[in-house]
Order: sequence, then structure tokens, then C-alpha cells
Amino acid sequence: KQEVTQIPAALSVPEGENLVLNCSFTDSAIYNLQWFRQDPGKGLTSLLLIQSSQREQTSGRLNASLDKSSGRSTLYIAASQPGDSATYLCAVNVMYSGGGADGLTFGKGTHLIIQP
Amino acid sequence: EAGVAQSPRYKIIEKRQSVAFWCNPISGHATLYWYQQILGQGPKLLIQFQNNGVVDDSQLPKDRFSAERLKGVDSTLKIQPAKLEDSAVYLCASSPTTGLNNSPLHFGNGTRLTVT
Repeated sequence: KQEVTQIPAALSVPEGENLVLNCSFTDSAIYNLQWFRQDPGKGLTSLLLIQSSQREQTSGRLNASLDKSSGRSTLYIAASQPGDSATYLCAVNVMYSGGGADGLTFGKGTHLIIQP
Repeated sequence: EAGVAQSPRYKIIEKRQSVAFWCNPISGHATLYWYQQILGQGPKLLIQFQNNGVVDDSQLPKDRFSAERLKGVDSTLKIQPAKLEDSAVYLCASSPTTGLNNSPLHFGNGTRLTVT
């Protein structure tokens, strides 16, 4: 059974710092890995999707890397801003033998606070 | 493009009562998911539809939970009877393609259920 772990569970940093959020997964047979942002009382917003054949994806100040063989991904946020405060969730799309379901397996998230 | 719509936003019921949630996915999205997010946890997949057929319902507690997606568009998720441990946010998500795909999921804002 796939398990996804995110470290740290919570992080508070001053504005302007660069930071790294970590995600690890137990089964390397993934189809893709996605990073989401969740604001309080809201649904999830997709930030980046990395296909299993890719090593990284970038969007603005966000960069996500994937090392499938070691079961790890990192989300790098450059020049953090107070508006980046949210919970960041990592999820993997698992490949099942014979095809079938592709529902995501999520980690518990990293609660990020950027201090003004 | 309009997002995934969910209603109601909040619901408070007593244990052993029944409740239903509604989801309208993004127009044209073939795949629809229901997730349960307990406070402090990542979302857990309950059921996945592809058009109006069920792809995966392995984590749906079928003794009390049911879901349908008539005509392959809107979907309803029902709990009968509810238990205290069903208190959670129920998230609906959709994606545009069928089967294994590399399209990010689009989430609604969820329905927050409190069972007393």
C-alpha cells in the first residue's frame, strides 16, 4: 500500500526566505506526482504536476523535483511572501497492475506560515 | 471556466441521521472523484467515476456510504446512517480525461460535515 509522508508538518519563516518542503513515498511505481496548495476552508489548487519520466517542473517561484527511484520529491519556494501561507500537500498517482484506478494518495501536508 | 461546484458548504447532523452532498464537475470532465478529508489529514479517495461508471470504490464504506453519477455529469454522495467519525470535509474533484492521465485534478471547495 502506497504511503506518502511530508516533512516538516509545520514551518514558519520570515518573508523573503527560500524554503524547501519534502515529500516521500513508499512505492516508486507512480504515474505522476502532484503538489497542491490548500487555503483554510477551501479546496485544493494544483500547483505542479511531475510525470514519472520527468525530473522537475517549474512555475514562477515554485520548483518541484522528483527522484522516483528514491521515492522523494521536494517543493522549492523562492523568495517567500505572506501570500504563500497555506497548507501544501503532496500526492502520488499510483500505477496499478492491469491499469485501473488512478486516484491520488495524499500526504498529510505541510502547514506553512510566512511572517511579514 | 467555471470551477467544480459543491453544495451545501456546511452541514450539521446528529449521528444516525442521513445526509447527501452534491457535486457539479467542470463541464466536459469525464472523471469525477469524491475525497474525504479529516481534520489534520490529507484527502482520502472514496470513489472515482469515469463518465457514469465506477472505476474504484475500494475505500468507500459501502455499509453506510453510497454515490451515484447519473448521466455522467452531476454526482451525489450519501451517508446513511452517519457516525461521529464521519465528521470531515468531503471534496469533489474532476479531471478532463479518462483512465490514467497527466491532467491535474480540479477540486471544489468541499462540504464540511459535523456529526454530533
